[in-house]
Amino acid sequence: DAGVIQSPRHEVTEMGQEVTLRCKPISGHNSLFWYRQTMMRGLELLIYFNNNVPIDDSGMPEDRFSAKMPNASFSTLKIQPSEPRDSAVYFCASSPTGYGYTFGSGTRLTVV
Amino acid sequence: GEDVEQSLFLSVREGDSSVINCTYTDSSSTYLYWYKQEPGAGLQLLTYIFSNMDMKQDQRLTVLLNKKDKHLSLRIADTQTGDSAIYFCADHEMDSSYKLIFGSGTRLLVRP
Repeated sequence: DAGVIQSPRHEVTEMGQEVTLRCKPISGHNSLFWYRQTMMRGLELLIYFNNNVPIDDSGMPEDRFSAKMPNASFSTLKIQPSEPRDSAVYFCASSPTGYGYTFGSGTRLTVV
Repeated sequence: GEDVEQSLFLSVREGDSSVINCTYTDSSSTYLYWYKQEPGAGLQLLTYIFSNMDMKQDQRLTVLLNKKDKHLSLRIADTQTGDSAIYFCADHEMDSSYKLIFGSGTRLLVRP
């Protein structure tokens, strides 16, 4: 298995633009997580899906952030409009049970 | 809520043992985890320990769990320069079977 695949690896965008981050979980994993990593706040859970259904989105910072999982093999995290304070590394992780996540390599987002 | 704390930095000489420490607050944890993050990469599950164990050994890695003191440690024997990375301790949030709470990470620097 190729692991959790995220794209793009790097994204630089201007403030106000829409940004879409993509994730392909490991086949057979029914739990998917989006995390954000910054120096100031460390790793923060943004949203958790189980069997493609959002279970916990309490970590989504504000309405500018949205996430979808239209099927078991694909998820997106969208920021619209983006702001400089959204600059961070965004990780997607999947798990077969909720235990022992496998992380993707992350998307480094820079909003200028 | 659950809190996981780690020291921020550890420097050791190549060939020495490294001990990375972690404290947590939730006493109902089933599993506790150690993740490794190399520069520019995602988090890699290094090892985990079930809460009814005191110790787990896996090649150069030894995990010790003191449930009374809510203290977890990771010992790396014969530390190599390739072990230089950030190490995260993680625990499930109280009453959550899926939500992992990560420590701030310990940056391990191995000097030649």
